[in-house]
Amino acid sequence: KQEVTQIPAALSVPEGENLVLNCSFTDSAIYNLQWFRQDPGKGLTSLLLIQSSQREQTSGRLNASLDKSSGRSTLYIAASQPGDSATYLCAVDSYGGATNKLIFGTGTLLAVQP
Amino acid sequence: EAGVTQSPTHLIKTRGQQATLRCSPISGHTSVYWYQQALGLGLQFLLWYDEGEERNRGNFPPRFSGRQFPNYSSELNVNALELEDSALYLCASSFRPYNEKLFFGSGTQLSVL
Repeated sequence: KQEVTQIPAALSVPEGENLVLNCSFTDSAIYNLQWFRQDPGKGLTSLLLIQSSQREQTSGRLNASLDKSSGRSTLYIAASQPGDSATYLCAVDSYGGATNKLIFGTGTLLAVQP
Repeated sequence: EAGVTQSPTHLIKTRGQQATLRCSPISGHTSVYWYQQALGLGLQFLLWYDEGEERNRGNFPPRFSGRQFPNYSSELNVNALELEDSALYLCASSFRPYNEKLFFGSGTQLSVL
């Protein structure tokens, strides 16, 4: 059974700092891994999707890496800003059964202090 | 281009009643997914519809049901509401059913009293 874990559960950093969020999964048989952000009381915004054949994806100040063999992904945020404050969730789309049944981690609550 | 829209934003029901939640996917998207986000439980997969058919469901009792209409919009019905059904219900859509980014709506906050 696929399990997704995110560490740390919460993180507070000063504005301008570079930071790394971690995601680990137990079953390497995945189609893709996605990173989302969620603002309080809101839905999810898709940030990056990494296919299982890819090692990383970049969008602006965000860079996500994937190491399928070790069951790990990291989300790197460069030059953090107060507007980056949100909960960041990773999710994997595993083999077996139906796809697009994303398994989510419990998230990292990020606070960027001005 | 409009994103995924959900209605209502908030819904208050009493135990034993039925709730109906609605979702309109992004234009051109044929797959619709429902997720439940309850306090302390994280996001749990509920249902997946594609081309009008239920393709998969998560580990939820049969009183959670839904359908997808010919215009690809979707409805989630929860019968015989229980207190623990209180949660944020999120709908998502994708252009194709496999290996695609999911785009989420803002959710319906269901409170069962």
